[in-house]
Amino acid sequence: QQQVKQSPQSLIVQKGGISIINCAYENTAFDYFPWYQQFPGKGPALLIAIRPDVSEKKEGRFTISFNKSAKQFSLHIMDSQPGDSATYFCAASIGSARQLTFGSGTQLTVLP
Amino acid sequence: DARVTQTPRDKVTEMGQEVTMRCQPILGHNTVFWYRQTMMQGLELLAYFRNRAPLDDSGMPKDRFSAEMPDATLATLKIQPSEPRDSAVYFCASGAGGSNQPQHFGDGTRLSIL
Repeated sequence: QQQVKQSPQSLIVQKGGISIINCAYENTAFDYFPWYQQFPGKGPALLIAIRPDVSEKKEGRFTISFNKSAKQFSLHIMDSQPGDSATYFCAASIGSARQLTFGSGTQLTVLP
Repeated sequence: DARVTQTPRDKVTEMGQEVTMRCQPILGHNTVFWYRQTMMQGLELLAYFRNRAPLDDSGMPKDRFSAEMPDATLATLKIQPSEPRDSAVYFCASGAGGSNQPQHFGDGTRLSIL
């Protein structure tokens, strides 16, 4: 009931391409869906977050698409850059002030 | 730029030793989380506090782990006795507790139990 499933496990994209990472959740009580970016040796850093009352949120090159009926959400990185190479985690919680349930992570490599 | 500070950054010790990890949350944040990251299990919650009171520690092995907040500027996670399976990166995160306030993570303590 608490799981968040993330795919793919790894992703290789050419510079300038679009990176797409998908997540699915089970618990319909989740109402806050953040994406975190993690570089080696660093803690996860919030990238962008969405609540289920909207279907899409865009911040710069990063877009979250949210499908409430399918219980799925995805991260799109437009014009991917080598500096975007990192591990990305989706997460979900009941309210942003409560504990996060994380997906398993996607290691993104953007080739120059 | 406000940050969550964790110490030590790295810790190597032998099985059976006591380990104490410390976290200084962002000033003014009233919610503190402890997460553990391993290759096998990914990121998983160990415990979390609001206004220094523990709200959920169900993810923590109670027989050897303990988490406390002696004051609003310090959270501690202790393991006694430590075991090789405790080897992981331990992250502390803090949040302001509001409905639109995200969690901010420290850079973790990398723990190796030999």
